[in-house]
Amino acid sequence: EAGVAQSPRYKIIEKRQSVAFWCNPISGHATLYWYQQILGQGPKLLIQFQNNGVVDDSQLPKDRFSAERLKGVDSTLKIQPAKLEDSAVYLCASSLGRDPGGEEKLFFGSGTQLSVL
Amino acid sequence: GNSVTQMEGPVTLSEEAFLTINCTYTATGYPSLFWYVQYPGEGLQLLLKATKADDKGSNKGFEATYRKETTSFHLEKGSVQVSDSAVYFCALRLMNTGFQKLVFGTGTRLLVSP
Repeated sequence: EAGVAQSPRYKIIEKRQSVAFWCNPISGHATLYWYQQILGQGPKLLIQFQNNGVVDDSQLPKDRFSAERLKGVDSTLKIQPAKLEDSAVYLCASSLGRDPGGEEKLFFGSGTQLSVL
Repeated sequence: GNSVTQMEGPVTLSEEAFLTINCTYTATGYPSLFWYVQYPGEGLQLLLKATKADDKGSNKGFEATYRKETTSFHLEKGSVQVSDSAVYFCALRLMNTGFQKLVFGTGTRLLVSP
């Protein structure tokens, strides 16, 4: 079974530039997450989708970050304009949702490492 | 608020040594608790979990027990291998409008030498 695919693997940009990350979840996974992992910190949830709808974007800095999942499959996360503090690994995860027991298993991609200079 | 605190790394051990990585949490209600592992160049993988007090999660020789009285979920392994070298994240799950919301600790890097 193919895993969660993310691209690019690495990205280096200058501050005030724009950048976009792409995620293709595991086939059939309705739930998709974007996490930001700053060096030395744990992943922090940015946004959660259920199919093409946003479930939780309370921690997404909406003045510069945007995300979409138009067809309910792959997703794009954009930063415009980027700041130095946006340097981090951006992780995408997907899941089938909760099982009958109420549990949910997340599958993570390898992430996109962003460096803002 | 809801948070997870892990011991700082790196933890450096020789092969076959005993491993403990401490994790404590603060949460409203009764969360589910998880350990995720991130091997070099790979995404996070679920290692083990426990959903209620006194549950013990185990996988690949790793164990962790959900201790409500001490709000802890320490990760242990009796004999580590070089292949266990990775970053380990403790996490708790909050139910938010019926969907999973994971709160992660800062991670602990484990280095195992031959």
